[in-house]
Amino acid sequence: QLVLTQSPSASASLGASVKLTCTLSSGHSNYAIAWHQQQPEKGPRYLMKVNGDGSHRKGDGIPDRFSGSSSGAERYLTISSLQSEDEADYYCQTWGTAMGVFGGGTKLTVL
Amino acid sequence: EVQLLESGGGLVQPGGSLRLSCVASGFTFSNYAMSWVRQAPGKGLEWVSGIGGSGSSTYHADSVKGRFTISRDNSKNTLYLEMNSLRVEDTAIYYCAKGDQWLVRSDFDYWGQGTLVTVSS
Repeated sequence: QLVLTQSPSASASLGASVKLTCTLSSGHSNYAIAWHQQQPEKGPRYLMKVNGDGSHRKGDGIPDRFSGSSSGAERYLTISSLQSEDEADYYCQTWGTAMGVFGGGTKLTVL
Repeated sequence: EVQLLESGGGLVQPGGSLRLSCVASGFTFSNYAMSWVRQAPGKGLEWVSGIGGSGSSTYHADSVKGRFTISRDNSKNTLYLEMNSLRVEDTAIYYCAKGDQWLVRSDFDYWGQGTLVTVSS
């Protein structure tokens, strides 16, 4: 069964960097995933697609501070030079055979 | 500029029906898959249904299969979600999301602002 696992919460200081992780379930380690950001009281926004080889493609207007990478079954979202507006929920997402799958989301707090 | 505008949400009793709409602009609607994604109060995102660019291919989550139907009218640039036999657990904000290609299984590169569906007696 295809499952995406994310830590419920993360925190980092203003101006620092943070790396969020999304882990693919066994047997699905080569899947690409997408990262989406949801700021408080807003709809989600597409950030990027991260492939199994670590390459990534960002959405329109996504700042260079956001980058993606991979290692095995893990897909990462790194945010550098954290700003207050980066405080949000971050979701990873992929596709199974006939269904979309989301991770549970990580709530990022900027200290 | 890509815009997705959902409508049709509201309060409905358990067992009732509702039809959501999503009007798209800023891109060639028929060239891209679309999906509905929902978010229950205080919860994460849950994919609900997806449809290919032509409308001939559709997928539904197990939680809504047999009750919800996704469809599209490419002449009106509009996506629909017909929801029947609604349950309390269907209460959520429903977002439409644009795929980045014609196939259903494509990345969601743009999202609407959502419409709230409340199922309660």
